[in-house]
Amino acid sequence: QKEVEQNSGPLSVPEGAIASLNCTYSDRGSQSFFWYRQYSGKSPELIMFIYSNGDKEDGRFTAQLNKASQYVSLLIRDSQPSDSATYLCAVNILDNYGQNFVFGPGTRLSVLP
Amino acid sequence: EAQVTQNPRYLITVTGKKLTVTCSQNMNHEYMSWYRQDPGLGLRQIYYSMNVEVTDKGDVPEGYKVSRKEKRNFPLILESPSPNQTSLYFCASSLHYNSPLHFGNGTRLTVT
Repeated sequence: QKEVEQNSGPLSVPEGAIASLNCTYSDRGSQSFFWYRQYSGKSPELIMFIYSNGDKEDGRFTAQLNKASQYVSLLIRDSQPSDSATYLCAVNILDNYGQNFVFGPGTRLSVLP
Repeated sequence: EAQVTQNPRYLITVTGKKLTVTCSQNMNHEYMSWYRQDPGLGLRQIYYSMNVEVTDKGDVPEGYKVSRKEKRNFPLILESPSPNQTSLYFCASSLHYNSPLHFGNGTRLTVT
C-alpha cells in the first residue's frame, strides 16, 4: 500500500510567523509532488509543485524536497489569517495502469491574529 | 476558460434511486479521477482513468461505477445509493501524471 503521511494538526502559528508543514511518502519511485490548500467545503487548490531535490520558492511559499529521505515540506512565510486552511500533500505513484496520485490526510493550519 | 465542471453541486436523494454525477473537462486531459471526502478522513479515491476506456479502482470503489467513453467526460454512477455514500465528491483531471490535478467545485450528495 503506497502511503503519504502528514501530521493532522491542528498546527497553530501566530500571524507573521513561519508555518512549516511536512509530508512523508513511501514510494521511492515517486517523481512529482504537489501541495494543495483546501478551505472547508471547497475544492483543493494547487499551491505548488516540485519535481527535483532542493527548494522551490513562489512568493511566501517554499516547497522543499528530499527524495533520499522521502519527505517534502511546505514553508509559509509571514503567515496570514487567510492562510488558515487544510494543506494536502499529493504524490504520484506507480500503479496498475501507470501513474496515479495519492493524497495525504492533510494538516489543518490555524494562523492566529 | 479551462475548467473541470461537475454537476449537480448539491443532490439529495433516497436510498436505492440510481443517480449519475457528471464530470467534464475542457483541457484535453488524459487522466481523470473521482474522490470522496468525509470529515476526518481526507480525500479518498474512488476510481481513476488514465485515458479513454482505461479505468481502475481506487481505495473505495464499492457501490460506484464509472465510464470513460470520451476523453472529456468521466461520470460517476451510483446504481443503488445508500446513506453511507452521503459525502462531498470531487472530480479532478490532469494532463498527465506529472502535471497537477485540477479539481471541480464538488458535489455534495445526501442519501436519505
